Amino acid sequence: GQNIDQPTEMTATEGAIVQINCTYQTSGFNGLFWYQQHAGEAPTFLSYNVLDGLEEKGRFSSFLSRSKGYSYLLLKELQMKDSASYLCAVGDSNYQLIWGAGTKLIIKP
Amino acid sequence: DAGVTQSPTHLIKTRGQQVTLRCSPKSGHDTVSWYQQALGQGPQFIFQYYEEEERQRGNFPDRFSGHQFPNYSSELNVNALLLGDSALYLCASSPGGTSGSVYNEQFFGPGTRLTVL
Repeated sequence: GQNIDQPTEMTATEGAIVQINCTYQTSGFNGLFWYQQHAGEAPTFLSYNVLDGLEEKGRFSSFLSRSKGYSYLLLKELQMKDSASYLCAVGDSNYQLIWGAGTKLIIKP
Repeated sequence: DAGVTQSPTHLIKTRGQQVTLRCSPKSGHDTVSWYQQALGQGPQFIFQYYEEEERQRGNFPDRFSGHQFPNYSSELNVNALLLGDSALYLCASSPGGTSGSVYNEQFFGPGTRLTVL
């Protein structure tokens, strides 16, 4: 079967750094996405990785290792507005997005 | 530039009823995908429409059907509603074309919150 695993919840302090991990087992691989979703709102795109390595975009970075079926999202200089759920999604061999349940990130002052 | 819009915002139905949800894609996008998101879960792919045809379908029963119009807007219909159909229904658009839209960033609408009593 297809499976995406992420921690259910994480807590971090304002100004700190947090790493959210995602492991996946899918039939085929056509890229991995990270989305941010605030409570009651739609997901918004953060990053897309299709090759191994680190992609940096401002305070957010995303890493992919295809051989390990592993990705992480790194958030630096955390701000209170970063409190949200972070969703990992993988494109499978049928070009469908398989989504994880999301990691709820709580930022404390 | 209007983003993805969905209507209605909220909807309450009773078991056995039918519902139609609507979505207008972002300007310039021709592909529309529908997702169901239960509380505390990630989105589940229902189906995707391109050129007025269903291009991909997830693991949802035939009670879930859809349509895409020539202006790329789309409808999601759910018949014989069950309590378990209560969820946030998300519409996402992307510039699919012939390359397939999984590589393209999907823009999500605000969603329709469906409650089945």
